[in-house]
Amino acid sequence: AIQLTQSPSPLSASVGDRVTITCRASEGISGALAWYQQKPGTPPKLLIYDASTLESGVPSRFSGSGSGADFTLTISSLQPEDFATYYCQQFYNFPYNFGQGTKLEI
Amino acid sequence: QVQLVESGGGLVKPGGSLRLSCAASGFIFSDYYMTWIRQAPGKGLEWIAYISFSGRTMFYADSVEGRFTISRDNAKNSLYLQMNSLRAEDTALYYCAREDAGLDVWGQGTTVTVSS
Repeated sequence: AIQLTQSPSPLSASVGDRVTITCRASEGISGALAWYQQKPGTPPKLLIYDASTLESGVPSRFSGSGSGADFTLTISSLQPEDFATYYCQQFYNFPYNFGQGTKLEI
Repeated sequence: QVQLVESGGGLVKPGGSLRLSCAASGFIFSDYYMTWIRQAPGKGLEWIAYISFSGRTMFYADSVEGRFTISRDNAKNSLYLQMNSLRAEDTALYYCAREDAGLDVWGQGTTVTVSS
């Protein structure tokens, strides 16, 4: 099974900061990666799919990049509502595993 | 509106069984792959099962293979998860989700607690 490792975890930042979260796959997965945001008590929300395509309705301060085994999620200017836990997920091979999550905290 | 609503969770003893349901509305259910994901208390997300449009192809996580069965009834716009031989480590919030280049629609989840 393909393993996904996210870093850093946790991540401390402030409003207005530019932050980057990394997701590394144990083998190449082409561009078959998605990113999610989860806030306490709510289901995850899809942010990015196919590594770099922004889901409809997601603010443009979120962006994704990468291919092969190394991927990043970047938030260009942190807003108060962005403090949450972020997960990557691969869609290259079953099982479609998630990364362990990155908690973005103040 | 596009919606998924899970039900069927509850308290069950180790070794017991439970059947979760996920009711879909607001979209053509038969056009989408569907997935179950779970989240143990205070832990991350765990992908556990997938089913194709027709219901003929399924995949499972190793942790549930042979104990859980995913199925769907496209006529009823419903997804199911039959869970047998439940263990304490199956205690979690169970989500169903629609797959479309990512899991783009999620339900609110149903809680399963396995305890004696």
